[in-house]
Amino acid sequence: GQQLNQSPQSMFIQEGEDVSMNCTSSSIFNTWLWYKQDPGEGPVLLIALYKAGELTSNGRLTAQFGITRKDSFLNISASIPSDVGIYFCAGLNYGGSQGNLIFGKGTKLSVKP
Amino acid sequence: NAGVTQTPKFQVLKTGQSMTLQCAQDMNHNSMYWYRQDPGMGLRLIYYSASEGTTDKGEVPNGYNVSRLNKREFSLRLESAAPSQTSVYFCASRQGSFGYTFGSGTRLTVV
Repeated sequence: GQQLNQSPQSMFIQEGEDVSMNCTSSSIFNTWLWYKQDPGEGPVLLIALYKAGELTSNGRLTAQFGITRKDSFLNISASIPSDVGIYFCAGLNYGGSQGNLIFGKGTKLSVKP
Repeated sequence: NAGVTQTPKFQVLKTGQSMTLQCAQDMNHNSMYWYRQDPGMGLRLIYYSASEGTTDKGEVPNGYNVSRLNKREFSLRLESAAPSQTSVYFCASRQGSFGYTFGSGTRLTVV
């Protein structure tokens, strides 16, 4: 089945630093999504990417849909303590039994004030 | 604007007991999903329902059953709980090409 390799598994950074994480797949996706999960909560959608090569920003977050449709990255600029959490990438193919998200295993981000 | 509501939030079961996890969404979404989350394993799909009246197995369906009661509600049942089912369970719903909306989770411990 399809699998996503997300890296790094964890990051421990200083407040104010930039963060970069990525996700790769052996197969292509029509949509890439990035979620953040705060402790004790469900994942919340941060950014959705629908076209190969697309670069999208949401405040301090920037994500790109790889041109091969097999990868995506998420950057966070000038990190702050509330950025702490687990970030998941997810790939989606539409329709039928393939209309389900495939998740990476997450990147756990810790920010030191 | 409740989104996806899961009940209960916490539950402790003894091995062999049964229980049903409830999920309801108020966004008129067609598709609904049940995931479990374990440390280092990410989110794994248990069962899903592409539309009212249909259900299908996901990656880890053994030991679970589901019911899509109507368009709003999708329940997950553990008939005979086992310690290996200790996990955090998330329900989600989706419409079209948009990403999932998740509930806040049910934390289940089986002793």
